[in-house]
Amino acid sequence: KAGVTQTPRYLIKTRGQQVTLSCSPISGHRSVSWYQQTPGQGLQFLFEYFSETQRNKGNFPGRFSGRQFSNSRSEMNVSTLELGDSALYLCASRTSGGITDTQYFGPGTRLTVL
Amino acid sequence: AQKITQTQPGMFVQEKEAVTLDCTYDTSDPSYGLFWYKQPSSGEMIFLIYQGSYDQQNATEGRYSLNFQKARKSANLVISASQLGDSAMYFCAMPRNQAGTALIFGKGTTLSVSS
Repeated sequence: KAGVTQTPRYLIKTRGQQVTLSCSPISGHRSVSWYQQTPGQGLQFLFEYFSETQRNKGNFPGRFSGRQFSNSRSEMNVSTLELGDSALYLCASRTSGGITDTQYFGPGTRLTVL
Repeated sequence: AQKITQTQPGMFVQEKEAVTLDCTYDTSDPSYGLFWYKQPSSGEMIFLIYQGSYDQQNATEGRYSLNFQKARKSANLVISASQLGDSAMYFCAMPRNQAGTALIFGKGTTLSVSS
C-alpha cells in the first residue's frame, strides 16, 4: 500500500498570506490528523477528521482550519500567516479509532513564513 | 492529563551496540497505548513499535523492543545492534484520549550512531 502523501513538501509564504496544505491518507484509512512541529513547542496536535467531520481539535487559533473530503483526503488551511507559523506540518492517517490504532505519518510540509 | 517525558536530549552509541532510550508517562486512564516513532532528518515520522497497557508481554519488532514497566510508568525503547541508519530523533507518544486521537509526544531523544 502506498503511504501517506503530503503536498507540497516545501512552501515559502509571507506574513498575512494564507496557505493550503494537502494530505492523502493510506488507502482504507478514514481518520486524518494534523500536527505542527516547531523547535520551541515540539509536536502539537492540530485537529482530526473522520468521515468528513472534525472529531477532535487542539489548542490552536481559528486561523487554522481543515476539512476532509469523501475520499478521506484532507486539507489544512492557515489564514493570515504569522512568522510563528513557520513549522513542519505533519499529517497522519489511521483506520478508524481506538487507543491501539496506529497513526501513520506522511513526509510533512515544511512551511516558512517570511 | 496525559504527559510524556523523555529526559535524554541526546544519546551516542557505536555501531552494533545496544541502546536504551527512556520514556516515562503519566496517565490516569486504566487502558492506554504507547507508541515510539523515529524521525530522520528528512522529517517523516516512522512508526516503530506499540505497547498496550494490558499487553502481557513486552512488545518487540525486529531490532526494537520495549522495556515496559507499568508500575513505574516507563516504556523504554531498546534498539539492539545499532546501525548508522538508526541516527535520528526518537519520540515516545500516547493518545490524549480513549478514542486514540491527538497523540501527545515527548520532546524526543537524538540518537547518534558512529562507526
